Amino acid sequence: DQQVKQNSPSLSVQEGRISILNCDYTNSMFDYFLWYKKYPAEGPTFLISISSIKDKNEDGRFTVFLNKSAKHLSLHIVPSQPGDSAVYFCAASDNFNKFYFGSGTKLNVKP
Amino acid sequence: DAGVTQSPTHLIKTRGQQVTLRCSPISGHKSVSWYQQVLGQGPQFIFQYYEKEERGRGNFPDRFSARQFPNYSSELNVNALLLGDSALYLCASSLVSLLGTGELFFGEGSRLTVL
Repeated sequence: DQQVKQNSPSLSVQEGRISILNCDYTNSMFDYFLWYKKYPAEGPTFLISISSIKDKNEDGRFTVFLNKSAKHLSLHIVPSQPGDSAVYFCAASDNFNKFYFGSGTKLNVKP
Repeated sequence: DAGVTQSPTHLIKTRGQQVTLRCSPISGHKSVSWYQQVLGQGPQFIFQYYEKEERGRGNFPDRFSARQFPNYSSELNVNALLLGDSALYLCASSLVSLLGTGELFFGEGSRLTVL
């Protein structure tokens, strides 16, 4: 029973263009969402978060959008850089203590 | 400042053995969570501890247990290892507020291989 889904296992983008990573969830009680980046042989690194009271949150090149009615969130990276190449996970929680993660999207930014 | 540290980084065990994984949280973080990441999947919640008490448990068998010490470090124990326990075990620490834990800060993980 996967409550958080990332349906695109991989994404390839040219350097300087926008990367859009998508995430869907099924539990309407989720009210806090996180995005993580993971390089091989490293633990996930926190990128950006959003709570359900907002529909957008920005941090530098990273913007997360939340569409509660569609149970969908997306991470936009503009402009994309080769160093952004990694696996990206979205995560959701309804109690701030237990997080449900998607299966990840591998982003490849081509120089 | 030191991040979340985990040990050992890699280990190999055989079926039926027991393993203990260790985690030291970021200084000032009182909550520790454990996640299991199987190849090709996202991290899956195992336990969350705060102030030495279990605050949450995921859908894992009783072979999995954990504890938190007064210095907020934590251990994850897995008994009677199965081949399917082979995974990356991630420890995460977080600050705790009235709202909960907020974002998780992960260590590099302990890679367990069960033969």
